[in-house]
Amino acid sequence: DAEITQSPRHKITETGRQVTLACHQTWNHNNMFWYRQDLGHGLRLIHYSYGVHDTNKGEVSDGYSVSRSNTEDLPLTLESAASSQTSVYFCASSEPGGYGYTFGSGTRLTVV
Amino acid sequence: GENVEQHPSTLSVQEGDSAVIKCTYSDSASNYFPWYKQELGKRPQLIIDIRSNVGEKKDQRIAVTLNKTAKHFSLHITETQPEDSAVYFCAARYNFNKFYFGSGTKLNVKP
Repeated sequence: DAEITQSPRHKITETGRQVTLACHQTWNHNNMFWYRQDLGHGLRLIHYSYGVHDTNKGEVSDGYSVSRSNTEDLPLTLESAASSQTSVYFCASSEPGGYGYTFGSGTRLTVV
Repeated sequence: GENVEQHPSTLSVQEGDSAVIKCTYSDSASNYFPWYKQELGKRPQLIIDIRSNVGEKKDQRIAVTLNKTAKHFSLHITETQPEDSAVYFCAARYNFNKFYFGSGTKLNVKP
């Protein structure tokens, strides 16, 4: 069955370190998204991609970057981790138009 | 900017009662509105959605209504059960592929 997987599930890192969160989907979706979820803020869009080599900034993109070298993967990199980036991160993918929006299982990141 | 407001933030009902969660959106071009259920420690999962060419959609105990003129849509859960306890998010599509999400409603169904 097609799926979307994230790794790691939990990560603790130190302030200032570079961290990369992985997202891999086998739906063959062109659209992929990264969100962060914080209490009281719902889901906020960090970066998104509509296809290979396409990347775009979302509403909370500062301090984050993504790259899309193939259809299946959209890794999220925190260039220099900050305590404000402690959060739960969800990757998602969808068909054109946003239909069939599917979330990964999430990565809980703690920056100490 | 464009956003989605969701109310209430918490909702407690007795098992068997109905629950209603309401969302308003600001982008008049939005035309697709999904709802997600997120159980504790798990991923959000799509439970129902509605497109702007219909006013209501039902799936067993769950229904969604849409009022495009007023720019609001609602989730209705009837005959609530303890397993309905979760956080529910509404969303409105903008720019074809992206969504604004509400801040979530924590539903507690008391047995």
